[in-house]
Amino acid sequence: SQQGEEDPQALSIQEGENATMNCSYKTSINNLQWYRQNSGRGLVHLILIRSNEREKHSGRLRVTLDTSKKSSSLLITASRAADTASYFCATDRVSGTYKYIFGTGTRLKVLA
Amino acid sequence: EAGVTQSPTHLIKTRGQQVTLRCSPISGHTSVYWYQQALGLGLQFLLWYDEGEERNRGNFPPRFSGRQFPNYSSELNVNALELEDSALYLCATRDQETQYFGPGTRLLVL
Repeated sequence: SQQGEEDPQALSIQEGENATMNCSYKTSINNLQWYRQNSGRGLVHLILIRSNEREKHSGRLRVTLDTSKKSSSLLITASRAADTASYFCATDRVSGTYKYIFGTGTRLKVLA
Repeated sequence: EAGVTQSPTHLIKTRGQQVTLRCSPISGHTSVYWYQQALGLGLQFLLWYDEGEERNRGNFPPRFSGRQFPNYSSELNVNALELEDSALYLCATRDQETQYFGPGTRLLVL
């Protein structure tokens, strides 16, 4: 079963607003990554945050990680219509023979 | 530098047929991961190859199989296709920490 669970499952906002999506996971991790998937296409890597980091920025993206709560959030500021996509978190587990566990995704729709 | 490539991009098969999907990793990457993504759902891990060996497989029946070649490219084979095998099949490779995905193969089973 998937370790990561994103919420909300779907989010609809107006252009210019901020979008926040959350990810929870179950086991200890080395790092957590966020990916974007445009409709029916491959995933694009957005940002990686390591287990010893609490916050990371990349352009309009801000990611936080709380290892005590086993959760992460992705904030997209000043959203654009082009940000419309599904967003997935993926955890790189400390133990286990399979390294990457993907969540179920948040479908973001940005209305122009 | 070329990214991960997959072929074909689209495929239509009928129930009971067999299909082979192909993936070429980024140069220098030795691991290949296969995922299945049914419409509107998350990624389900299928198989992981590294250095030519199958390292792990997900919760899929044996009719899903694959292999990795000496040049690290990989094939995913699905036998006795069923309607529920219709999905986007994604291949990924990785460097130390990050996975890089191909564009996927869209399989439709009629």
